[in-house]
Amino acid sequence: DADVTQTPRNRITKTGKRIMLECSQTKGHDRMYWYRQDPGLGLRLIYYSFDVKDINKGEISDGYSVSRQAQAKFSLSLESAIPNQTALYFCATSTGFGQPQHFGDGTRLSIL
Amino acid sequence: KQEVTQIPAALSVPEGENLVLNCSFTDSAIYNLQWFRQDPGKGLTSLLLIQSSQREQTSGRLNASLDKSSGRSTLYIAASQPGDSATYLCAGKNSGNTPLVFGKGTRLSVIA
Repeated sequence: DADVTQTPRNRITKTGKRIMLECSQTKGHDRMYWYRQDPGLGLRLIYYSFDVKDINKGEISDGYSVSRQAQAKFSLSLESAIPNQTALYFCATSTGFGQPQHFGDGTRLSIL
Repeated sequence: KQEVTQIPAALSVPEGENLVLNCSFTDSAIYNLQWFRQDPGKGLTSLLLIQSSQREQTSGRLNASLDKSSGRSTLYIAASQPGDSATYLCAGKNSGNTPLVFGKGTRLSVIA
């Protein structure tokens, strides 16, 4: 089983819909991250969490919200999806400051 | 603000060749730099992480170097194999509560 699991793997939805992407990890890491990857733009940080009570905005948090339900679970929500949020979304974890980040396999999200 | 650049965007080499992938960064106050591999439809796999106090790290056929003064990191792959074909990304982190900053990657094709 994967250490960092993202669900769903693929999602197609319509503009205006509320979407939730989920991430769970079995690595026991405190830190969790959400990124999006766009062709030509690379990976950009959306939100990150250092523990259950600590959530921080990243570079591109507008239009997104997150919930850290437990040490092992970190969800990303799009309250009202728009087409330019079509991207590949990744969840990552790490043990602490300056430590390697470990990624899930991603969620491919298409908004029509 | 840290910026990370990877040139070229794509590279094709014959099997067995030794090769170097390049990564440049703008802020010499970098804390560490991480190299990742990304296969199509997959997440990122961490290959090597170099702390600012180190000059290089090795794992099997991979060797990564870091030169803060010149703003460069290289990933050396010895005796390349078709299975090395993937996109390679580097990401730099400064000290403090700062995010990883990713390059856009180099897509490597190793031809049998």
